Amino acid sequence: NAGVTQTPKFRILKIGQSMTLQCTQDMNHNYMYWYRQDPGMGLKLIYYSVGAGITDKGEVPNGYNVSRSTTEDFPLRLELAAPSQTSVYFCASSRSSTSGDLYEQYFGPGTRLTVT
Amino acid sequence: GESVGLHLPTLSVQEGDNSIINCAYSNSASDYFIWYKQESGKGPQFIIDIRSNMDKRQGQRVTVLLNKTVKHLSLQIAATQPGDSAVYFCAEEGGGSNYKLTFGKGTLLTVNP
Repeated sequence: NAGVTQTPKFRILKIGQSMTLQCTQDMNHNYMYWYRQDPGMGLKLIYYSVGAGITDKGEVPNGYNVSRSTTEDFPLRLELAAPSQTSVYFCASSRSSTSGDLYEQYFGPGTRLTVT
Repeated sequence: GESVGLHLPTLSVQEGDNSIINCAYSNSASDYFIWYKQESGKGPQFIIDIRSNMDKRQGQRVTVLLNKTVKHLSLQIAATQPGDSAVYFCAEEGGGSNYKLTFGKGTLLTVNP
């Protein structure tokens, strides 16, 4: 298994541009997440999804959108990029259980985004 | 403020020593905790987890201790090696099947040869 893959690895955007960060997992996980990590800080949850067709906001959703049309893919869309969105973005996935218990999240390698 | 935090932002140890990284959490309803390791330029990597019905769990060279009375979590690394140098994060799941983890800021562990 490739696990969680993310593209691109690096990107520079100008203010006001838009882009989509791609995330794919091949572990058949129902749960998927997007985080951002600012320098020297922990991860903050942007959006998450508990299954295809279901998404919900996390702690810092403003300026982002997501969709989940398949189990494997969970793209993150940035509209009207702003310097405050300069960060490293991580996608993660985890399996679900019938009891509702959480399990560990597997992370992708990240996308380093700079908005200037 | 954040519900998960760390007592020490940096920790420097000698190779071969044992390391202890601490974490405080504030949500008494949290029932699942994870430790992650993040090396420079990489995504977080799962180390070990523990559920609230346990107070200790051991892995290979690592032990996690959970003290629910004082809402404290610790990660112990035995015989620390240079390859253990990284930032270590604790994370908690807030209970109620909300499917979300809250991460602390991390502790930078430096292992001196």
